[in-house]
Amino acid sequence: NAGVTQTPKFRILKIGQSMTLQCTQDMNHNYMYWYRQDPGMGLKLIYYSVGAGITDKGEVPNGYNVSRSTTEDFPLRLELAAPSQTSVYFCASSYRREQFFGPGTRLTVL
Amino acid sequence: AQKVTQVQTEISVVEKEDVTLDCVYETRDTTYYLFWYKQPPSGELVFLIRRNSFDEQNEISGRYSWNFQKSTSSFNFTITASQVVDSAVYFCALIDGEGSSNTGKLIFGQGTTLQVKP
Repeated sequence: NAGVTQTPKFRILKIGQSMTLQCTQDMNHNYMYWYRQDPGMGLKLIYYSVGAGITDKGEVPNGYNVSRSTTEDFPLRLELAAPSQTSVYFCASSYRREQFFGPGTRLTVL
Repeated sequence: AQKVTQVQTEISVVEKEDVTLDCVYETRDTTYYLFWYKQPPSGELVFLIRRNSFDEQNEISGRYSWNFQKSTSSFNFTITASQVVDSAVYFCALIDGEGSSNTGKLIFGQGTTLQVKP
């Protein structure tokens, strides 16, 4: 099992650009999450999904969109990148309250 | 509201010292889960332990031990005989909600940066 994979690992965006952070898990987990980690801070929940076709907002959803068309994939979309979105993004899936994290995507918006 | 507070922002110790990282939580739920994660300089999140609210037994795993006290809403983490490889950011976290409303969302503390000097 590859677990939770994220691409890309690093990305630099210009203000106003858009991009999609990819997240895939091969454990057949229904629950998936996107968190962001700002420097010196803990992780905060952006969006989550309890199954294919079902998504909901977390604590910091503004500026992001998600979709969940399959159990495996949970992409995170940034439509108009802003410097405030410079962060490390972690995708996770969970089963029976154990969360499995991807390696993270380090995003810089200049 | 649910909240996790990690008392120390940064701790610096010399190798072989014991060190305790304090975590205090707030929740309205009677059933909840607490976690500790390690984030080494490479950046990934490493799961260390999960505890449910009905199990107040202390846990020991090698040089790591955890003290869970519901009476003080604390879930503290102790490293005995610290080593340089223990240098990392450590996060305490809480899963809120239970039953049909439980979505497994983690609420993280802000992290404690531990530096172990040789």
